[in-house]
Parts: sequence; structure tokens; C-alpha cells
Amino acid sequence: QKEVEQDPGPLSVPEGAIVSLNCTYSNSAFQYFMWYRQYSRKGPELLMYTYSSGNKEDGRFTAQVDKSSKYISLFIRDSQPSDSATYLCAMWGGKLQFGAGTQVVVTP
Amino acid sequence: SQTIHQWPATLVQPVGSPLSLECTVEGTSNPNLYWYRQAAGRGLQLLFYSVGIGQISSEVPQNLSASRPQDRQFILSSKKLLLSDSGFYLCAWSVSGSGGELFFGEGSRLTVL
Repeated sequence: QKEVEQDPGPLSVPEGAIVSLNCTYSNSAFQYFMWYRQYSRKGPELLMYTYSSGNKEDGRFTAQVDKSSKYISLFIRDSQPSDSATYLCAMWGGKLQFGAGTQVVVTP
Repeated sequence: SQTIHQWPATLVQPVGSPLSLECTVEGTSNPNLYWYRQAAGRGLQLLFYSVGIGQISSEVPQNLSASRPQDRQFILSSKKLLLSDSGFYLCAWSVSGSGGELFFGEGSRLTVL
């Protein structure tokens, strides 16, 4: 079993819809939780960084962490074609572990 | 502000040829440095990381090696490339103790024929 599980998609949504992404993990030692966005043929960029259980909001993006269920989510409101990218979850507990990434396509 | 440069962006190499990918970071001192490989449709695989000059940790046994000759320079090398070395190579840096907040370069796409 992988330490971090993430559905690879692709996830296709119409412009303006809410994008919902999630990852599950098995290692209770993970303390910090991140979401990275990666455009095609580019390096990933950090999008959201959270520590505790609960929600963190930044503009159209909301990151959610549920440590009791070992589950993290990323929501993108009012999605735009420019949100089309691969989104990778990542978790750190002394060592950084990435999910496989979910490809998101927002169609105009 | 901090920036990270990685080159070359793209290269096509024959099997058995050598490899050198270079990464430099500007605007910070004593960063942690990383080399990742990303195969098509797969996640990021950590290859090497370094916490200081000359200090290299290897995560997986393979045909590659890394060196850190200067504080903000990280080099990925191979003496003889294999077909399986093809992939997207990413250099990244972080502040020591930052808990996973990495800053990635633009990547180098390597095709071995």
C-alpha cells in the first residue's frame, strides 16, 4: 500500500464549476500537508500549505485536512481554464511524500 | 527574491553517453537541494538531496550520481545513460527545517534513445 493515494484522473469540469481533489494517507507521522500545481512541462509550484486539521482558504482555493480520517482535500471554486493542470498532494513527517497527481481539465 | 535555474531544458542523448544536469539557486544561503525524477503519468521520485556542500544522500540505487561543489549549485550526472533514465528531472530547494515547502526549477526533459 502506498503511503499517499491520489486518483490520477483526468478530472474534467466545465468552467465555473467547483473542482474537488483529495488524497488519503496511511502514515500518522505526517504533520504538514501541501498542494502543488504543475502545468504541463513545468516544475510544480506550491499552492497551499497547512498544518492542522480544518480548513484554510486562499482566494478561490480551500485546503481541508482531516487527520482523524487521514484525508486531505483541495477545492477550487469558480474554476477557470487556466486552472487546467496536474495537482499533487504532498505530506511531510520528517520526509516528504508526494501523491501521483490528479490531472484537471477545465473546459470553456 | 529567490530564484532557481535549471539547464538544459531539453536533451536527447544516446544510450551509453554521459549526462550532466545543472541547477543553481540565487537569493538564499545554505539551502537544502533536491533532485527528483518524474516519469510520464507518475509521481515525483526523490533521487538525491543535499543539506550542505559535499553532503549528498541517495534515495534509490541507480545509474545516476549527484554532487554539490558550491553552496547553491547542484549537479546530476551519469557516466553511461540507460533507456530507463528517460524522464523529467526536477531540481528543487528548500529552507532547512521548512517541513516540505519546496521550490522547483522548470525541469529538464531527458530522452535516451
